[in-house]
Amino acid sequence: GAGVSQSPSNKVTEKGKDVELRCDPISGHTALYWYRQSLGQGLEFLIYFQGNSAPDKSGLPSDRFSAERTGGSVSTLTIQRTQQEDSAVYLCASSLLQGYGGYTFGSGTRLTVV
Amino acid sequence: DAKTTQPTSMDCAEGRAANLPCNHSTISGNEYVYWYRQIHSQGPQYIIHGLKNNETNEMASLIITEDRKSSTLILPHATLRDTAVYYCIVRVGQAGNMLTFGGGTRLMVKP
Repeated sequence: GAGVSQSPSNKVTEKGKDVELRCDPISGHTALYWYRQSLGQGLEFLIYFQGNSAPDKSGLPSDRFSAERTGGSVSTLTIQRTQQEDSAVYLCASSLLQGYGGYTFGSGTRLTVV
Repeated sequence: DAKTTQPTSMDCAEGRAANLPCNHSTISGNEYVYWYRQIHSQGPQYIIHGLKNNETNEMASLIITEDRKSSTLILPHATLRDTAVYYCIVRVGQAGNMLTFGGGTRLMVKP
């Protein structure tokens, strides 16, 4: 597609439930990044994919968070047993691995845990 | 990645140039300066980047000092739609490395 697509755009879930957030990067972009942004806060790095592998998982806040990427394209971020502190906007970005250009971000998924 | 320092907020009159400063005194030779902005409720948007030469594109100009310890993003004719948080980031060039976002500068363009 023309841009990075994220779904759903909004998600309200009950505490303790699992959620899956999806990111469709720009076609041909081999690098994919997940960030989250809590209300009024800056962007917090979560995980980075190079192709299907994740060389940097350092930002995942707990073992309840996991992510995968298949076929070098779509990525899914899964949060298990959601907590209220997981409420945030989850942003996905992609870029060409080779080259010095910038990232293209999606519009994010606003997750609210009630 | 090198740390950057930006003013927390700035105001600019509509139609005037907005000059957003950034200090990156510990930048190393292989680190680029990137600028992004985030308009309310949207994902960040790439604006421009540079290594040591000044750069210009359809959105903005980037002026980097000769010693590379600071830079200025210039929006030549600010509009109300330019109201956003502007992030200055320094990073080793290759796109595979992740960006670290600081607090940024909240630019308010006023009529």
